[in-house]
Amino acid sequence: GAVVSQHPSWVICKSGTSVKIECRSLDFQATTMFWYRQFPKQSLMLMATSNEGSKATYEQGVEKDKFLINHASLTLSTLTVTSAHPEDSSFYICSAPNQDRGEAGELFFGEGSRLTVL
Amino acid sequence: AQKITQTQPGMFVQEKEAVTLDCTYDTSDPSYGLFWYKQPSSGEMIFLIYQGSYDQQNATEGRYSLNFQKARKSANLVISASQLGDSAMYFCAMREAFSGNTPLVFGKGTRLSVIA
Repeated sequence: GAVVSQHPSWVICKSGTSVKIECRSLDFQATTMFWYRQFPKQSLMLMATSNEGSKATYEQGVEKDKFLINHASLTLSTLTVTSAHPEDSSFYICSAPNQDRGEAGELFFGEGSRLTVL
Repeated sequence: AQKITQTQPGMFVQEKEAVTLDCTYDTSDPSYGLFWYKQPSSGEMIFLIYQGSYDQQNATEGRYSLNFQKARKSANLVISASQLGDSAMYFCAMREAFSGNTPLVFGKGTRLSVIA
């Protein structure tokens, strides 16, 4: 099936540093990618919609200056957590639809990135 | 208002038995898709089954079946012959206004524990 690859899987950083997470569609082009955040024992919450060649659309309550999203190509979207703080520690997971495959709109998910900010 | 409601935070089932995980949804859009994903402790999201709003028959996929009751706006997942490996979080999700640019909206999830 369609593959979405996310890197890194795990990252530990000091408070105040920035962390970049990459999401790649390996065998299809993704004009749109979705970024979700999942805190422990909670559900996936949509953070933003990444659109190739244009600005991302952020959900209410998500700081666009803190969570920088870049979708510079049809196969790569990046999420940069700037000046990370312990409360940003979470599981970040990207997903992309593949119109040509999957169950009529199934989203394909990356493996997720677990961020721990010390 | 919540678009996806999963009222069972946790469920237990005996190995080899069947279990039903509940999901109700709320939408005014006539075109939508309903999905179930499994999330083991590793965090990966595993697609299980899909039901389109216009589908006349309930979806089935191996041991998974979706009990779709459109008038009640429910889309319960039935797992038959439970296995120990089925222990995981299960999320019901919906995509409205079916297009490439609409995200999945998830319920809070149900943690299923299969007992030997």
